[in-house]
Amino acid sequence: NAGVTQTPKFRILKIGQSMTLQCTQDMNHNYMYWYRQDPGMGLKLIYYSVGAGITDKGEVPNGYNVSRSTTEDFPLRLELAAPSQTSVYFCASSYSGMEKTQYFGPGTRLLVL
Amino acid sequence: QQQVKQSPQSLIVQKGGISIINCAYENTAFDYFPWYQQFPGKGPALLIAIRPDVSEKKEGRFTISFNKSAKQFSLHIMDSQPGDSATYFCAASRLGGGNMLTFGGGTRLMVKP
Repeated sequence: NAGVTQTPKFRILKIGQSMTLQCTQDMNHNYMYWYRQDPGMGLKLIYYSVGAGITDKGEVPNGYNVSRSTTEDFPLRLELAAPSQTSVYFCASSYSGMEKTQYFGPGTRLLVL
Repeated sequence: QQQVKQSPQSLIVQKGGISIINCAYENTAFDYFPWYQQFPGKGPALLIAIRPDVSEKKEGRFTISFNKSAKQFSLHIMDSQPGDSATYFCAASRLGGGNMLTFGGGTRLMVKP
């Protein structure tokens, strides 16, 4: 049981480039989330999904897109990278219902230059 | 905007001392209050959580105190150890809504030997 896995671990992008951050969970969780964490700050929710085919915006969705074609995968897409997107990105998953524990992946560190 | 305010931003405690981190929230619809622990280079992991029907929850050296009327909750770490040195985040979630968490800004704890 690997839990939540994220790839890549680290990436440098040039301004205007695009990339996809991958997230996979093997716990059969319905709910999945993408957060960004800026230095010395808390986690901000970018997008979340309550099941395959269902996604919704979080607090800071601008500049990002997501899709959820399977229960296991929840990729995050950056279309036109900007320096403001330099951050550490965390994917998380949880069961639906009363058990609300979110399980986090190890994170992807992104640097946009 | 839903907010969770956390203090202090950083905390230095001697080994064996008590670490106390405080959080305050605004939204009375929140019904689940977890604390997450994050070590450098890792994703956050659930430490302990409480629901508003109890005023205190203890797990080992970690205790959450909850004051519903004041809309405040706090984490107490008894007999703090150098291994407890990490960043701690409080969070809050409301019933339904995809179990989304609103995080506080984090507290960087250093326990000196």
